[in-house]
Amino acid sequence: GQNIDQPTEMTATEGAIVQINCTYQTSGFNGLFWYQQHAGEAPTFLSYNVLDGLEEKGRFSSFLSRSKGYSYLLLKELQMKDSASYLCAVYNTDKLIFGTGTRLQVFP
Amino acid sequence: KAGVTQTPRYLIKTRGQQVTLSCSPISGHRSVSWYQQTPGQGLQFLFEYFSETQRNKGNFPGRFSGRQFSNSRSEMNVSTLELGDSALYLCASSSDGTIGEKLFFGSGTQLSVL
Repeated sequence: GQNIDQPTEMTATEGAIVQINCTYQTSGFNGLFWYQQHAGEAPTFLSYNVLDGLEEKGRFSSFLSRSKGYSYLLLKELQMKDSASYLCAVYNTDKLIFGTGTRLQVFP
Repeated sequence: KAGVTQTPRYLIKTRGQQVTLSCSPISGHRSVSWYQQTPGQGLQFLFEYFSETQRNKGNFPGRFSGRQFSNSRSEMNVSTLELGDSALYLCASSSDGTIGEKLFFGSGTQLSVL
């Protein structure tokens, strides 16, 4: 079967660093996406990893280990506007499969 | 460049009715996918259309159907609505839906079935 696991909720303080983990077991693997979704809004693309390693993009970084079926999204210098849901999604053989998302709350 | 547009934004229906949702992709995008989002299940894939053909389908009953027009606009239809169909329905478009291509999502249609 297809299974993608993420923590349901996380909290952090403004200016801090937070790591959101995602583990997956899928029948195929053609890359892993992270999307951000603010309440009531459309999900927006953050990152795409297809090879092992770390991809850095400004305050956000994403890591992938295919052998471990594991990824994380690292958010640095947290801002209040980073309060949102973060969706991990795996492209298996022919479709994108999403986890249930991690709701991150950033406090002042 | 206009984003993905979904209409209507909100819908309230009663059990047994049917509903049609509309999605206009980003200009030039030919692939349109539909997802159902609920708090407990996250985003679940319904189907994907490309050049007016359904190219991929998720594990939803036949009450859920869709189509795509020659201008790439897409509609999805849910017949004989059930309470469990209450959800946010998201549409996403991409250039041609190839593996690894990022999706651009609309803001969704919030469907409530009473």
